Amino acid sequence: NAGVIQTPRHKVTGKGQEATLWCEPISGHSAVFWYRQTIVQGLEFLTYFRNQAPIDDSGMPKERFSAQMPNQSHSTLKIQSTQPQDSAVYLCASSFLTDEQYFGPGTRLTVL
Amino acid sequence: GDSVTQTEGLVTLTKGLPVMLNCTYQTTYSPFLFWYVQHLNEAPKLLLKSSTDNKRTEHQGFYATLHKSSSSFHLQKSSVQLSDSALYFCALSYSNNRIFFGDGTQLVVKP
Repeated sequence: NAGVIQTPRHKVTGKGQEATLWCEPISGHSAVFWYRQTIVQGLEFLTYFRNQAPIDDSGMPKERFSAQMPNQSHSTLKIQSTQPQDSAVYLCASSFLTDEQYFGPGTRLTVL
Repeated sequence: GDSVTQTEGLVTLTKGLPVMLNCTYQTTYSPFLFWYVQHLNEAPKLLLKSSTDNKRTEHQGFYATLHKSSSSFHLQKSSVQLSDSALYFCALSYSNNRIFFGDGTQLVVKP
Protein backbone atom coordinates (compact mmCIF):
# COMPACT_ATOMS: atom_id res chain seq x y z
CA ASN A 1 0.00 0.00 0.00
CA ALA A 2 1.73 3.14 -1.24
CA GLY A 3 -0.59 5.48 0.61
CA VAL A 4 -2.08 8.59 -0.92
CA ILE A 5 0.11 9.90 -3.71
CA GLN A 6 0.29 13.57 -4.59
CA THR A 7 2.13 15.08 -7.50
CA PRO A 8 4.02 17.27 -7.91
CA ARG A 9 5.49 17.64 -4.42
CA HIS A 10 6.54 21.20 -5.19
CA LYS A 11 5.26 23.61 -7.78
CA VAL A 12 6.30 27.15 -8.51
CA THR A 13 4.13 29.29 -10.75
CA GLY A 14 4.15 32.89 -11.83
CA LYS A 15 1.25 35.11 -10.95
CA GLY A 16 -1.57 34.54 -13.41
CA GLN A 17 -0.48 31.08 -14.47
CA GLU A 18 -2.50 27.90 -14.02
CA ALA A 19 -1.62 25.14 -11.57
CA THR A 20 -2.95 21.58 -11.63
CA LEU A 21 -2.42 19.35 -8.63
CA TRP A 22 -2.90 15.59 -8.74
CA CYS A 23 -3.99 13.11 -6.13
CA GLU A 24 -4.13 9.32 -6.28
CA PRO A 25 -6.14 7.94 -3.35
CA ILE A 26 -5.50 4.65 -1.63
CA SER A 27 -6.94 1.84 -3.72
CA GLY A 28 -10.44 0.93 -2.57
CA HIS A 29 -11.08 4.17 -0.73
CA SER A 30 -14.40 5.73 -1.68
CA ALA A 31 -13.83 9.33 -0.60
CA VAL A 32 -11.25 11.95 -1.54
CA PHE A 33 -10.78 15.22 0.29
CA TRP A 34 -8.80 18.35 -0.55
CA TYR A 35 -7.40 20.76 2.05
CA ARG A 36 -5.19 23.82 2.02
CA GLN A 37 -2.75 24.51 4.83
CA THR A 38 -0.99 27.76 5.65
CA ILE A 39 0.60 29.13 8.78
CA VAL A 40 -1.96 31.93 8.99
CA GLN A 41 -5.18 30.07 8.11
CA GLY A 42 -4.29 26.63 9.39
CA LEU A 43 -5.94 23.58 7.81
CA GLU A 44 -8.81 24.62 5.55
CA PHE A 45 -11.28 22.21 3.99
CA LEU A 46 -11.80 22.79 0.29
CA THR A 47 -13.92 20.02 -1.20
CA TYR A 48 -14.61 16.31 -1.22
CA PHE A 49 -15.85 13.51 -3.44
CA ARG A 50 -17.52 10.26 -2.55
CA ASN A 51 -17.63 7.50 -5.16
CA GLN A 52 -16.33 10.11 -7.62
CA ALA A 53 -19.33 12.40 -7.09
CA PRO A 54 -18.77 15.89 -5.70
CA ILE A 55 -20.42 16.07 -2.28
CA ASP A 56 -19.34 19.29 -0.61
CA ASP A 57 -17.36 22.13 -2.14
CA SER A 58 -18.24 24.69 0.50
CA GLY A 59 -14.60 25.50 1.16
CA MET A 60 -13.63 26.17 -2.43
CA PRO A 61 -13.02 29.75 -3.47
CA LYS A 62 -15.77 30.40 -5.97
CA GLU A 63 -13.52 31.80 -8.61
CA ARG A 64 -10.40 30.23 -10.10
CA PHE A 65 -10.56 26.94 -8.12
CA SER A 66 -12.06 23.73 -9.48
CA ALA A 67 -11.75 20.05 -8.62
CA GLN A 68 -12.60 16.90 -10.48
CA MET A 69 -12.52 13.18 -9.97
CA PRO A 70 -12.80 11.59 -13.42
CA ASN A 71 -12.18 8.08 -12.13
CA GLN A 72 -11.69 6.28 -8.84
CA SER A 73 -7.93 6.38 -9.09
CA HIS A 74 -7.28 10.08 -9.25
CA SER A 75 -8.53 13.56 -8.51
CA THR A 76 -7.27 16.94 -9.65
CA LEU A 77 -7.38 20.40 -8.16
CA LYS A 78 -6.97 23.18 -10.68
CA ILE A 79 -6.23 26.78 -9.84
CA GLN A 80 -6.56 29.26 -12.66
CA SER A 81 -4.77 32.59 -12.72
CA THR A 82 -2.81 31.83 -9.55
CA GLN A 83 -2.23 34.62 -7.08
CA PRO A 84 0.42 34.96 -4.34
CA GLN A 85 -2.26 34.33 -1.69
CA ASP A 86 -2.81 30.87 -3.21
CA SER A 87 0.64 29.86 -1.96
CA ALA A 88 0.10 27.00 0.48
CA VAL A 89 0.50 23.29 1.00
CA TYR A 90 -2.39 21.49 -0.66
CA LEU A 91 -3.24 18.23 1.03
CA CYS A 92 -5.27 15.38 -0.36
CA ALA A 93 -6.74 12.68 1.86
CA SER A 94 -8.77 9.55 1.21
CA SER A 95 -11.00 7.39 3.36
CA PHE A 96 -13.07 4.26 3.24
CA LEU A 97 -16.08 3.76 5.47
CA THR A 98 -14.69 4.51 8.91
CA ASP A 99 -14.36 8.25 8.41
CA GLU A 100 -10.67 7.90 9.20
CA GLN A 101 -8.73 9.94 6.66
CA TYR A 102 -5.30 9.14 5.31
CA PHE A 103 -3.35 12.14 4.10
CA GLY A 104 -0.91 12.40 1.26
CA PRO A 105 2.41 14.24 1.60
CA GLY A 106 0.99 17.40 0.07
CA THR A 107 1.92 19.70 -2.78
CA ARG A 108 3.69 22.89 -1.82
CA LEU A 109 2.52 25.59 -4.22
CA THR A 110 4.51 28.79 -4.44
CA VAL A 111 3.14 31.64 -6.53
CA LEU A 112 5.71 34.29 -7.33
CA GLY B 1 -23.26 24.21 12.85
CA ASP B 2 -20.63 21.56 13.39
CA SER B 3 -17.37 22.76 14.87
CA VAL B 4 -14.34 21.84 16.94
CA THR B 5 -12.63 24.15 19.41
CA GLN B 6 -9.07 23.83 20.60
CA THR B 7 -8.39 26.51 23.15
CA GLU B 8 -4.60 26.37 23.20
CA GLY B 9 -2.66 27.53 20.20
CA LEU B 10 0.71 26.74 21.74
CA VAL B 11 1.70 24.52 24.64
CA THR B 12 5.30 24.45 25.80
CA LEU B 13 6.45 21.80 28.27
CA THR B 14 9.58 20.26 29.65
CA LYS B 15 10.31 16.63 28.79
CA GLY B 16 8.83 14.17 31.25
CA LEU B 17 5.89 16.31 32.32
CA PRO B 18 2.23 15.40 31.69
CA VAL B 19 0.20 17.19 29.06
CA MET B 20 -3.46 17.72 28.29
CA LEU B 21 -4.62 19.33 25.05
CA ASN B 22 -8.20 20.52 25.17
CA CYS B 23 -10.84 19.71 22.59
CA THR B 24 -14.54 20.45 22.66
CA TYR B 25 -17.00 20.04 19.85
CA GLN B 26 -20.43 21.02 18.70
CA THR B 27 -22.75 18.85 16.65
CA THR B 28 -26.29 17.59 16.73
CA TYR B 29 -25.27 14.19 15.38
CA SER B 30 -23.61 11.19 16.97
CA PRO B 31 -19.95 11.91 16.30
CA PHE B 32 -16.66 10.25 15.61
CA LEU B 33 -13.84 12.19 17.29
CA PHE B 34 -10.23 12.07 16.14
CA TRP B 35 -6.83 13.36 17.11
CA TYR B 36 -4.37 13.85 14.27
CA VAL B 37 -0.68 14.65 14.73
CA GLN B 38 1.44 16.51 12.21
CA HIS B 39 5.20 16.62 12.57
CA LEU B 40 7.18 19.33 10.81
CA ASN B 41 7.06 19.00 7.01
CA GLU B 42 4.94 15.86 7.22
CA ALA B 43 1.29 15.10 6.54
CA PRO B 44 -1.22 14.78 9.37
CA LYS B 45 -1.54 11.23 10.68
CA LEU B 46 -4.27 9.69 12.77
CA LEU B 47 -3.31 9.31 16.42
CA LEU B 48 -6.60 8.35 18.11
CA LYS B 49 -10.24 7.95 17.28
CA SER B 50 -13.41 7.20 19.21
CA SER B 51 -17.16 7.17 18.95
CA THR B 52 -17.88 5.41 22.24
CA ASP B 53 -18.99 7.51 25.15
CA ASN B 54 -16.86 7.35 28.30
CA LYS B 55 -14.40 4.83 26.90
CA ARG B 56 -10.67 5.60 27.05
CA THR B 57 -8.76 5.19 23.79
CA GLU B 58 -4.97 4.85 23.79
CA HIS B 59 -2.17 4.84 21.24
CA GLN B 60 1.56 5.49 21.46
CA GLY B 61 1.26 6.63 25.07
CA PHE B 62 -1.45 9.17 24.28
CA TYR B 63 -5.00 8.69 25.49
CA ALA B 64 -8.36 10.39 25.28
CA THR B 65 -11.89 9.75 26.48
CA LEU B 66 -14.96 10.91 24.60
CA HIS B 67 -17.42 12.53 26.97
CA LYS B 68 -20.65 13.27 25.16
CA SER B 69 -22.16 14.93 28.23
CA SER B 70 -19.56 17.68 28.05
CA SER B 71 -18.82 17.39 24.31
CA SER B 72 -15.14 16.91 25.01
CA PHE B 73 -12.29 14.72 23.77
CA HIS B 74 -9.14 15.98 25.50
CA LEU B 75 -5.79 14.45 24.58
CA GLN B 76 -3.45 13.44 27.39
CA LYS B 77 -0.06 11.89 27.95
CA SER B 78 1.56 11.20 31.28
CA SER B 79 5.13 11.98 30.26
CA VAL B 80 5.95 13.90 27.08
CA GLN B 81 9.07 13.24 25.03
CA LEU B 82 11.03 15.48 22.69
CA SER B 83 9.65 13.52 19.75
CA ASP B 84 6.12 14.52 20.74
CA SER B 85 6.76 18.06 19.54
CA ALA B 86 4.24 18.50 16.74
CA LEU B 87 0.97 20.09 15.70
CA TYR B 88 -2.08 18.30 17.08
CA PHE B 89 -5.52 18.57 15.51
CA CYS B 90 -8.78 17.51 17.07
CA ALA B 91 -11.44 16.59 14.51
CA LEU B 92 -15.09 15.61 14.27
CA SER B 93 -17.06 13.56 11.77
CA TYR B 94 -20.40 11.77 11.52
CA SER B 95 -22.33 9.56 9.12
CA ASN B 96 -19.63 9.35 6.43
CA ASN B 97 -19.52 13.13 6.24
CA ARG B 98 -16.52 15.36 5.90
CA ILE B 99 -14.21 15.85 8.87
CA PHE B 100 -14.28 19.16 10.73
CA PHE B 101 -10.86 20.09 12.07
CA GLY B 102 -9.99 22.37 14.95
CA ASP B 103 -7.37 25.08 14.55
CA GLY B 104 -4.65 22.88 16.00
CA THR B 105 -2.41 23.05 19.07
CA GLN B 106 1.34 23.31 18.63
CA LEU B 107 3.11 21.24 21.29
CA VAL B 108 6.72 22.12 21.97
CA VAL B 109 8.68 19.86 24.29
CA LYS B 110 11.92 21.25 25.68
CA PRO B 111 14.82 19.26 27.16
